[in-house]
Amino acid sequence: KAGVTQTPRYLIKTRGQQVTLSCSPISGHRSVSWYQQTPGQGLQFLFEYFSETQRNKGNFPGRFSGRQFSNSRSEMNVSTLELGDSALYLCASNPGQGEAFFGQGTRLTVV
Amino acid sequence: AQSVAQPEDQVNVAEGNPLTVKCTYSVSGNPYLFWYVQYPNRGLQFLLKYITGDNLVKGSYGFEAEFNKSQTSFHLKKPSALVSDSALYFCAVRDRFRAAGNKLTFGGGTRVLVKP
Repeated sequence: KAGVTQTPRYLIKTRGQQVTLSCSPISGHRSVSWYQQTPGQGLQFLFEYFSETQRNKGNFPGRFSGRQFSNSRSEMNVSTLELGDSALYLCASNPGQGEAFFGQGTRLTVV
Repeated sequence: AQSVAQPEDQVNVAEGNPLTVKCTYSVSGNPYLFWYVQYPNRGLQFLLKYITGDNLVKGSYGFEAEFNKSQTSFHLKKPSALVSDSALYFCAVRDRFRAAGNKLTFGGGTRVLVKP
């Protein structure tokens, strides 16, 4: 059974640019969650998508957005990048009950 | 609002000694509780969970955790630590209410260093 795939693994962007990150969940999982991990703020919930609909949203500015496709793959987008957006972005594939399965993350560096 | 506290930023233990990583939580109702481990530049790996039933939960790699409702704690334990257990450990809670979805609230993490 394939795991959660996040692409790309590493990104370097310039302030003001935008970025799109991709996550392919485990086959059969309809829910995908996104988290931001930084040394200062720890792991913070961004949003969750279930069957192409946003089900929950964390406390992040509108520059952070996401979507989910009919095959459950999800993308998150960050517009007008700021230095503080540098982080490890983790995607979780949720089976509905029980534990979430995480991808290896995308390391975003904003310069 | 849910919150999770991991009071120790770092735990140092000698190889072969018992390892304990503390976690307390604050949430309305009875939450789902989880422990995850993270190795450098990697995602989170699931260790164990408490959903219902026995308060002592056994998980991967010899880890276990005890759910204590009265103390709202879910401490992670391993009877004999290995050098390879050195990593960052996260405690997390999830609300049982359907509307909460799959949102996890994490503690700040505890770095475990096991010395040979």
